[in-house]
Amino acid sequence: SAVISQKPSRDICQRGTSLTIQCQVDSQVTMMFWYRQQPGQSLTLIATANQGSEATYESGFVIDKFPISRPNLTFSTLTVSNMSPEDSSIYLCSLSGTGTGGYNEQFFGPGTRLTVL
Amino acid sequence: AQKVTQAQTEISVVEKEDVTLDCVYETRDTTYYLFWYKQPPSGELVFLIRRNSFDEQNEISGRYSWNFQKSTSSFNFTITASQVVDSAVYFCALSEPGSNYQLIWGAGTKLIIKP
Repeated sequence: SAVISQKPSRDICQRGTSLTIQCQVDSQVTMMFWYRQQPGQSLTLIATANQGSEATYESGFVIDKFPISRPNLTFSTLTVSNMSPEDSSIYLCSLSGTGTGGYNEQFFGPGTRLTVL
Repeated sequence: AQKVTQAQTEISVVEKEDVTLDCVYETRDTTYYLFWYKQPPSGELVFLIRRNSFDEQNEISGRYSWNFQKSTSSFNFTITASQVVDSAVYFCALSEPGSNYQLIWGAGTKLIIKP
């Protein structure tokens, strides 16, 4: 399976600032996703990162708050803008490649642990 | 509507005991996919298994086994002879065709294996 890296692995930020998280994959993939996992909670999908077009956001998430870029098939960024303590979470990117037999499992990056003070 | 329920919030057992993690799902589709993931304290999500709705064979992988029963809409996960390294949060998830690969996640079960 593809190797996924995320940077930074963790960060502590001040409220009102923004942080950009990078997700790099060692092979080309069709579908990339960004998730948020708040402390002690399950995963919540933020958006699907589409290559060459605007990301598709889930209900409750907006582009102004979580702008996403996907310049090519191996890289994506998620920015958490104008942060507040409620944004403290683990942010994960994942990928789902194309393959035979239908839907493939998603593989996840190591995550970015964000703390907002 | 699609839904995944993991009713067990936390399970604690002593090492070498067998433990079963429950997963019940709801879907209107006849074709769907079920998954289990492991999230150790390090935070990384590790894919364990995918099961297609048209394949009801149970799966065994070492100490891990999965029991898929469409009649009860369940996809339970059993760890035999548990070890401390099995301590993690385990998530069950569901995906349906046409959902653009999106996963519906259960709330997760925290498994604590005591030495």
